Amino acid sequence: DQQVKQNSPSLSVQEGRISILNCDYTNSMFDYFLWYKKYPAEGPTFLISISSIKDKNEDGRFTVFLNKSAKHLSLHIVPSQPGDSAVYFCAASDDNTGNQFYFGTGTSLTVIP
Amino acid sequence: DAGITQSPRHKVTETGTPVTLRCHQTENHRYMYWYRQDPGHGLRLIHYSYGVKDTDKGEVSDGYSVSRSKTEDFLLTLESATSSQTSVYFCAITPGQLNTEAFFGQGTRLTVV
Repeated sequence: DQQVKQNSPSLSVQEGRISILNCDYTNSMFDYFLWYKKYPAEGPTFLISISSIKDKNEDGRFTVFLNKSAKHLSLHIVPSQPGDSAVYFCAASDDNTGNQFYFGTGTSLTVIP
Repeated sequence: DAGITQSPRHKVTETGTPVTLRCHQTENHRYMYWYRQDPGHGLRLIHYSYGVKDTDKGEVSDGYSVSRSKTEDFLLTLESATSSQTSVYFCAITPGQLNTEAFFGQGTRLTVV
């Protein structure tokens, strides 16, 4: 069973506009959430994270929002740039499971110039 | 960039042959992981290690074994490769502290024919 879900396989956005990527999870024990970015033929690279004690974390153009009651997190990219075109994975971990990370299936973002 | 090297980067092998993938890190991180990435499944954990000679299974461990005889090396072995093990394999590392991100290698593309 997929404990972390990304229900949108793809997303297209115009350059300069906001990109919103969504992620849902089922395990209420998850307490740390991350977003990774992946270009073709490369490994995933860490983008931004959020602890369950927060509901928002911001880093430059990237903001992650966490809604624990809805078991939902989202990544906002403002403004979107063509270089942001990549596959984005959300991930979650639970301190009780030995530093295991559970990943979603990914959302392919295309930013149109 | 975290010092993680995966070898080989590409491999084609025949069904039924043994295959070993190597992950080498220079960060002295405690935790090491092997993931596979497949379309529609995202990244799934195969095995992980929390120290020398300390390993545990992930969610898709059948058909795989691992070994960690040194802190810096984590080997993934397919004892008898099958076509269903055609995938891209990623190694990842974390220092093992709470709420820290994982760093990924560049990946190994394995094709079983």
